[in-house]
Amino acid sequence: DIVMTQTPSSQAVSAGEKVTMSCKSSQSLLYSENKKNYLAWYQQKPGQSPKLLISWASTRESGVPDRFIGSGSGTDFTLTISSVQAEDLAVYYCEQYYDTPLTFGSGTKLEIK
Amino acid sequence: EVQLVESGGGLVQPGRSLKLSCAASGFTFSDYNMAWVRQAPKKGLEWVATIIYDGSRTYYRDSVKGRFTISRDNAKSTLYLQMDSLRSEDTATYYCATQRVLQWCSDYWGQGVMVTVSS
Repeated sequence: DIVMTQTPSSQAVSAGEKVTMSCKSSQSLLYSENKKNYLAWYQQKPGQSPKLLISWASTRESGVPDRFIGSGSGTDFTLTISSVQAEDLAVYYCEQYYDTPLTFGSGTKLEIK
Repeated sequence: EVQLVESGGGLVQPGRSLKLSCAASGFTFSDYNMAWVRQAPKKGLEWVATIIYDGSRTYYRDSVKGRFTISRDNAKSTLYLQMDSLRSEDTATYYCATQRVLQWCSDYWGQGVMVTVSS
């Protein structure tokens, strides 16, 4: 199984600040034939279902604010929120869909100071 | 508007069975792979199973293989999860989710249904 490791487990920032969170996979998620990274980021707000923010490591889903930026390739990935808003309070998960079993990281909890 | 509505959850004793349903609307159900993802209380997300858009193939995590069966009825736009020989570690909120055919991340999620396995 591909192991997904997310750091930090929690982070507290003030509104307007930039925040970055890391996701590392135990093997490369870059598929050589199409040069795509099979990595997604989700946001789960308290009491809600997860929401897909980013697929292919860096492609924002429709309607996702452009302050959410996904980057990285291979085994190292980052989700950046360029200017955190109060409504960004949530747990953020990365997921690899390169191979089954699909696996998620343990999440980064974002708290707003 | 895409809607996924799960049902069928509840309290069940270890070793017993339960069948979850997920009614889909607002999109062409037969164009999408579908998945079940679960979340134990206060824990992270865990993929359970995926079924291909036409029902031709299914995929499971090892811990549920042989106990759970994912199926779909494209005529009814409904996804199912038959859960047999339930264990306490299956206690979780179960979400159904759409997965694009060539991209197995989950783009739409239901609200989830709670399954509690306890004597």
